Amino acid sequence: GAVVSQHPSWVICKSGTSVKIECRSLDFQATTMFWYRQFPKQSLMLMATSNEGSKATYEQGVEKDKFLINHASLTLSTLTVTSAHPEDSSFYICSAPGLAGEKYNEQFFGPGTRLTVL
Amino acid sequence: QKEVEQNSGPLSVPEGAIASLNCTYSDRGSQSFFWYRQYSGKSPELIMFIYSNGDKEDGRFTAQLNKASQYVSLLIRDSQPSDSATYLCAVKTSGNQFYFGTGTSLTVIP
Repeated sequence: GAVVSQHPSWVICKSGTSVKIECRSLDFQATTMFWYRQFPKQSLMLMATSNEGSKATYEQGVEKDKFLINHASLTLSTLTVTSAHPEDSSFYICSAPGLAGEKYNEQFFGPGTRLTVL
Repeated sequence: QKEVEQNSGPLSVPEGAIASLNCTYSDRGSQSFFWYRQYSGKSPELIMFIYSNGDKEDGRFTAQLNKASQYVSLLIRDSQPSDSATYLCAVKTSGNQFYFGTGTSLTVIP
């Protein structure tokens, strides 16, 4: 149980285009999901908290107009990188927290999406 | 970002030795503390979590938490080459958000 999927697993795009990444909780409902970005040899940096039915909360320094987040249902959150540039190339990972019981303290991660902007 | 600090390493230990990984955090409101293992190009895998002061053991792994010192550590006993990975410390805030440290690269030498 508690599986999170991401799609696509990797994407290559041209500079200036937009890319959408999907994050799905497959066997549980997630009112909250988190989006992280990880550059090579660096740690995961929290970008934003995605909230079902309301606006996402962005971390300081993260441009909300560039990284559009939509949490349209209890099982799906999307991250759209608008007008992508080479410096946006990174490993994007989503996660959803466990909500109850023994899973409460856990964070369930998707497999990640490797974005390369040419 | 809440500050979570780790020694970046690399840390090298011989097979069978004890590997000791350390982490400090700045937010005294942090509730729970986690250790993840991450292989290159993969998502983090949970090793264990701890939220009470003291030690918590799970197999070859022991997590230690000292909230007064804002310090958490992970000991890996009888280290194996398969333990070679980057180890990430994470703290969970009252808002259910996770903040990660920079990670420590561990190499276990056969």
